[in-house]
Amino acid sequence: EPEVTQTPSHQVTQMGQEVILRCVPISNHLYFYWYRQILGQKVEFLVSFYNNEISEKSEIFDDQFSVERPDGSNFTLKIRSTKLEDSAMYFCASNLRQGNTEAFFGQGTRLTVV
Amino acid sequence: DAKTTQPNSMESNEEEPVHLPCNHSTISGTDYIHWYRQLPSQGPEYVIHGLTSNVNNRMASLAIAEDRKSSTLILHRATLRDAAVYYCILRAQGAQKLVFGQGTRLTINP
Repeated sequence: EPEVTQTPSHQVTQMGQEVILRCVPISNHLYFYWYRQILGQKVEFLVSFYNNEISEKSEIFDDQFSVERPDGSNFTLKIRSTKLEDSAMYFCASNLRQGNTEAFFGQGTRLTVV
Repeated sequence: DAKTTQPNSMESNEEEPVHLPCNHSTISGTDYIHWYRQLPSQGPEYVIHGLTSNVNNRMASLAIAEDRKSSTLILHRATLRDAAVYYCILRAQGAQKLVFGQGTRLTINP
């Protein structure tokens, strides 16, 4: 069964450092997303991406965050200068098409900012 | 985004059916009802979705009230692997993102 792959599974970084979280969505999917889940809290939407541009973003997704699909297969989330409160599980997801179809999520990257 | 209300937790026994309720009294005519679940230490996983009619798939059934103000996810024969947090989510026609609530934490007793 096709799956969304995320690397690394766990990343520890120092406050103020830049991190890049990587995702390989399902190959024929067109819509890509990042969500995050702070420990013990809800899964929160960060950003959606379609046709090489951001289609929607939440208030959490400020100037410190950026996304990119550099080579047609990877989908990355960059946090420019990490803060302690960025510590969370980050999930990548993809959809074949817009709207009411199944979204496939990766297993997540646990980001710990120290 | 329209709001859903689910019990914080439920408990059931292995090999018994489980009915997980969801209230969505402010649902609009174009909102689809989606269910996802999150097993421990994993990403969310799609379970089922529907608009008006009841739906069945290999994982579960979705029963939607006639007025669409509530729905029930039915696991016909729970296994220990079904222990997870179950999320009922309303998604408007054409919407991209999923808005997760707190969900229902389902515990399955052996």
